[in-house]
Amino acid sequence: AQSVTQPDIHITVSEGASLELRCNYSYGATPYLFWYVQSPGQGLQLLLKYFSGDTLVQGIKGFEAEFKRSQSSFNLRKPSVHWSDAAEYFCAVGPFTGGGNKLTFGTGTQLKVEL
Amino acid sequence: GAVVSQHPSWVICKSGTSVKIECRSLDFQATTMFWYRQFPKQSLMLMATSNEGSKATYEQGVEKDKFLINHASLTLSTLTVTSAHPEDSSFYICSAEQYFGPGTRLTVT
Repeated sequence: AQSVTQPDIHITVSEGASLELRCNYSYGATPYLFWYVQSPGQGLQLLLKYFSGDTLVQGIKGFEAEFKRSQSSFNLRKPSVHWSDAAEYFCAVGPFTGGGNKLTFGTGTQLKVEL
Repeated sequence: GAVVSQHPSWVICKSGTSVKIECRSLDFQATTMFWYRQFPKQSLMLMATSNEGSKATYEQGVEKDKFLINHASLTLSTLTVTSAHPEDSSFYICSAEQYFGPGTRLTVT
């Protein structure tokens, strides 16, 4: 069965500092990986996704993620965090079919940004 | 980018009543949509896969008679929570492709 682990429930960083959110996955086939961000009471916004090709993926809002097959990881990074980045971040894995994505989510990492 | 909308954004209903939540893909067609449920400060759990023109596929443990799903067109899926009870109170989110709707907050009193 597929699963996603986000080891860090909460992370606090200072504004301007770098950020790395960890994500490890278990998937029986080639994984399709996603990072989403959710603000309180809101839906999910797609930050970036990885299907194949270059293992370093660029996303919106200055985020990037690196797929490492040997470590079954897909960590999210940002060089300099802004106060507006404070939110809940979810890593997800699933198959990609023509009909869409049936995703399994990690438990999320709550990011707090100190000014 | 692609947009998915949900209506209503929040709803309060009395125990025993039914509530319908709509999910629309605004600028693309979706033969498949997904319904997720999210409890406070928890992750999203897939409830069911909504298939246009056919029956929905429910995840294990999800009562299909309680959570009725209809996908009557390529841009609309509906989730009806029947005979709602307080334990059904939750945040319901739909998705199409890799895009998610803004969610619907359901509170059952």
